[in-house]
Amino acid sequence: NAGVTQTPKFQVLKTGQSMTLQCAQDMNHNSMYWYRQDPGMGLRLIYYSASEGTTDKGEVPNGYNVSRLNKREFSLRLESAAPSQTSVYFCASSEAGGSYGYTFGSGTRLTVV
Amino acid sequence: GQQLNQSPQSMFIQEGEDVSMNCTSSSIFNTWLWYKQEPGEGPVLLIALYKAGELTSNGRLTAQFGITRKDSFLNISASIPSDVGIYFCAGQTSNTGKLIFGQGTTLQVKP
Repeated sequence: NAGVTQTPKFQVLKTGQSMTLQCAQDMNHNSMYWYRQDPGMGLRLIYYSASEGTTDKGEVPNGYNVSRLNKREFSLRLESAAPSQTSVYFCASSEAGGSYGYTFGSGTRLTVV
Repeated sequence: GQQLNQSPQSMFIQEGEDVSMNCTSSSIFNTWLWYKQEPGEGPVLLIALYKAGELTSNGRLTAQFGITRKDSFLNISASIPSDVGIYFCAGQTSNTGKLIFGQGTTLQVKP
């Protein structure tokens, strides 16, 4: 079982460049999430999608956009990358409600120079 | 916004020792979850707690849902080198699906 698959695993961008981080899950989960992880800050929610066709802002949405392409896929786009967006990005999915926990992907390590 | 305070931030212990870490909040949570993250990987769920006072074990790991519903504890007994990683607590206040994560506790085990 693949679970949650993120691509790419590593990326280096120049300031101002754009890119899309891809995420797909094969567990038929309704809800999907994008987090960023920075040292000492834990995991901070960027955007989430409670169900197909809906997206909402999380704690740190500025500089990002998302698309819930279908039930399986949830992408995160950086339109104009900034050094402050250097981070490790995690996608996760859950059953509706999320009480049984999230399943995380293995992360994308992004460096903006 | 809601915050979880997780402590300690880091621990460096000898193999065989027991470990304790905790999370506290000013908010009441309906669900507490504990995750472990190994280097280069995403967090993996260890234990889920759903009722105040609940005590749940998973092998050498034991977690408790605080009576006040504002805190949770994780204990690891007889630590081994593969326990190394970052441990996160996470809380959920309602059935919206959004989890709030603590800052993490980095555990290092010396053989």
